[in-house]
Amino acid sequence: NAGVTQTPKFQVLKTGQSMTLQCAQDMNHNSMYWYRQDPGMGLRLIYYSASEGTTDKGEVPNGYNVSRLNKREFSLRLESAAPSQTSVYFCASTRQGQPQHFGDGTRLSIL
Amino acid sequence: SQQGEEDPQALSIQEGENATMNCSYKTSINNLQWYRQNSGRGLVHLILIRSNEREKHSGRLRVTLDTSKKSSSLLITASRAADTASYFCAGTYPGGGTSYGKLTFGQGTILTVHP
Repeated sequence: NAGVTQTPKFQVLKTGQSMTLQCAQDMNHNSMYWYRQDPGMGLRLIYYSASEGTTDKGEVPNGYNVSRLNKREFSLRLESAAPSQTSVYFCASTRQGQPQHFGDGTRLSIL
Repeated sequence: SQQGEEDPQALSIQEGENATMNCSYKTSINNLQWYRQNSGRGLVHLILIRSNEREKHSGRLRVTLDTSKKSSSLLITASRAADTASYFCAGTYPGGGTSYGKLTFGQGTILTVHP
């Protein structure tokens, strides 16, 4: 089925470990986004990519890096995980004039 | 932060009743959108209202926007148990890109509809 696919769905890390969250969309969308969702905080934008080859910081970029690998894929990397990064991470994509389509999230716990 | 606030944080009603959720924001917007999130899933877009619109309908959904009060409301009429979910408002602000571009989300309202 068409949509946004995030991997993994669940992950537990130890403080200081690194990992990459993967996101892929098959809707030929130009723009892609990474959000985190914490209890009582709503979604906050971490990074976004308006088009292939460009990336920009969102509201809460510290501790994260991103790569727009190609038009389909947008990855989020935690270089040295911290307990404060325990959250649910959502990837979304869109194109001009269309609403954002969201993946089902990656639930990340950092001990 | 431009993040909006939603009210109430939680709402519990019986099937068939109407549900009203409110959203307030801090600075001028280009448009305001409402999303729904079922437990354990991603967000699904419901409806968008532009800053020059005052009311919009989609099926059982009615959205209003009052730019003078910087507030919006989402009304779900004749609610069903399947409407149980979290509902989020999200604004697109000047400089935030396309109509559906960078979004700033509210904290959400948890709606529970009892059969």
